[in-house]
Amino acid sequence: GENVEQHPSTLSVQEGDSAVIKCTYSDSASNYFPWYKQELGKRPQLIIDIRSNVGEKKDQRIAVTLNKTAKHFSLHITETQPEDSAVYFCAAKTQGGGNKLTFGTGTQLKVEL
Amino acid sequence: DTGVSQDPRHKITKRGQNVTFRCDPISEHNRLYWYRQTLGQGPEFLTYFQNEAQLEKSRLLSDRFSAERPKGSFSTLEIQRTEQGDSAMYLCAGAQQSLDTEAFFGQGTRLTVV
Repeated sequence: GENVEQHPSTLSVQEGDSAVIKCTYSDSASNYFPWYKQELGKRPQLIIDIRSNVGEKKDQRIAVTLNKTAKHFSLHITETQPEDSAVYFCAAKTQGGGNKLTFGTGTQLKVEL
Repeated sequence: DTGVSQDPRHKITKRGQNVTFRCDPISEHNRLYWYRQTLGQGPEFLTYFQNEAQLEKSRLLSDRFSAERPKGSFSTLEIQRTEQGDSAMYLCAGAQQSLDTEAFFGQGTRLTVV
């Protein structure tokens, strides 16, 4: 089955700096890669996603890149703000078999003033 | 609001008791997933329904766990003879197969077994 690894586990940045979180996956059949933001005690919320037929996607301060050959994808947050502080999870979905998501272990992002 | 609701939000139970959780997705969600999330970890897949059919179960789903989706709408997850290791957040997610979109998570049920 799919295995997703995520790094770093914790990340502390100054407000206004950029943050980068990286994930690798094992199953070359995976074709959909969402990123979720989870605040303490709340549900995971989708913030951006990318499909295997594109290499990069951007939405305002958030961007995701995908390297299918290397089987890794990254989340980039620019001009970080205190409200970006949360746990971020990457995930991979393999077509077929119900399209379930396999999640990474999460990155605790702290944006300091 | 994702339209997926879960009940209860919190449940404290004594070890050995049975518990049941409910998930109500929106009507368009023909796919329904259950995940379990322990502290400091990402959600882990438990099981998945397409309409009323349970099509896949994870090895994490021991014999003490059973899930149903009798009419293809709401779903229940029951844990029998709870153990302390069952303490976790149980997340339900709904998705539309036709759109091949991401799954929308409910708020989750936090289970504490004492």
